[in-house]
Amino acid sequence: DIVMTQSPDSLAVSLGERATINCKSSQSLLYTSNNKNYLAWYQQRPGQSPKVLIYWASTRESGVPDRFSASGSGTDFTLTISSLQTEDVAIYYCQQYYSIPLTFGGGTTVEIK
Amino acid sequence: QVQLQESGPGLVKPSETLSLTCAVSGFSISSGHYWGWIRQTPGKGLEWIASIFYSGNTYYNPSLESRVTISVDTSKNQFSLKMGSVTAADTAIYYCAKHRDTGFDYDLAYWGQGTLVTVSP
Repeated sequence: DIVMTQSPDSLAVSLGERATINCKSSQSLLYTSNNKNYLAWYQQRPGQSPKVLIYWASTRESGVPDRFSASGSGTDFTLTISSLQTEDVAIYYCQQYYSIPLTFGGGTTVEIK
Repeated sequence: QVQLQESGPGLVKPSETLSLTCAVSGFSISSGHYWGWIRQTPGKGLEWIASIFYSGNTYYNPSLESRVTISVDTSKNQFSLKMGSVTAADTAIYYCAKHRDTGFDYDLAYWGQGTLVTVSP
């Protein structure tokens, strides 16, 4: 199984400040034949189901604010919230869909400082 | 707009079989795409269980495969999950979801609201 490791477990950021979440996979998620990284980022607000923010490691889902961006390739990935808003309080998960079983990171809780 | 809605018993006895159904609206299952089940527990976080194509092709998490069956009913536009020999460790919120595109190797673009299943005598 591909193990997804997120860091930090939690972070508190002031409103309007930047939040950065890291995700590391135990194997490369880059499929060389199409040059795509099989990684997604999800946001789970309290009491809600996960919602995809980013797929193919850096493609923002339609309707997701552009303060959310993501980067990385191979085994190291980053999700950045450029200017934290109150509605961004949530748990964020990375997930690989490169191989079976699909696996998720343990989550990073983002709070307001 | 694709919508998914899970349904099934909220309480299951140990050693019995958990059965859940996901009703899909706003999209025909027969149009393609993979459909899956994921569960969430405080201890193990998010865990993918299985996914199925409308034609019946399936993928399972090897850790659960011996106890799990996923099936699809295109006439009712829904798909289902059965998990046998449940224990307290299977207590979780169960989500159904739709993969983004026609292949299995896509992210989970749409999720249901989830249903809590408790395994208890």
